[in-house]
Amino acid sequence: NAGVTQTPKFQVLKTGQSMTLQCAQDMNHNSMYWYRQDPGMGLRLIYYSASEGTTDKGEVPNGYNVSRLNKREFSLRLESAAPSQTSVYFCATQGQGSSYGYTFGSGTRLTVV
Amino acid sequence: GESVGLHLPTLSVQEGDNSIINCAYSNSASDYFIWYKQESGKGPQFIIDIRSNMDKRQGQRVTVLLNKTVKHLSLQIAATQPGDSAVYFCASNTGGYNKLIFGAGTRLAVHP
Repeated sequence: NAGVTQTPKFQVLKTGQSMTLQCAQDMNHNSMYWYRQDPGMGLRLIYYSASEGTTDKGEVPNGYNVSRLNKREFSLRLESAAPSQTSVYFCATQGQGSSYGYTFGSGTRLTVV
Repeated sequence: GESVGLHLPTLSVQEGDNSIINCAYSNSASDYFIWYKQESGKGPQFIIDIRSNMDKRQGQRVTVLLNKTVKHLSLQIAATQPGDSAVYFCASNTGGYNKLIFGAGTRLAVHP
């Protein structure tokens, strides 16, 4: 039972390049989230998906797009990477019912040069 | 705007001592609160949660206290161990969909 799996773990991009960060969960959760984490800034929400087929913007969506391919997978795409997008990216899922706690993946460390 | 903040960015304690990490939140509508632990190079891990109909909840060596009057919660770690060294985040839900808002984090350093 892997929980939440993110790929890749590390990536270096040149300014202007594009890439897709992948996230897959085996927890049968409806809700999935993409956060970025910068030093001293905590976790900031980029996009989220309440269920398969729906996506919504979070606090810092500019420069990103997402796809909720199916219930298991939620990908984050950078169309034209910028140095300001250097960060650690976390995917998370949210349980249903009485507990709203998130389960996080191990993160993707992205550097844009 | 909404915020969930922590009072101290770094907390240093001696091994065996009790640790207390504090957090303030601003949204009166928040009714669900969580503490996460993040070790270096890893994603945040759930520690303990509490709903607004409670003012205290205990886990294994951890206790969360909630004071809704002053919009404050704390995480107490008993007999702190070197393995407790990490960054601790508090988070609260918002109105509507229950997205979580995270604080900036407090780094706990445990010294032998």
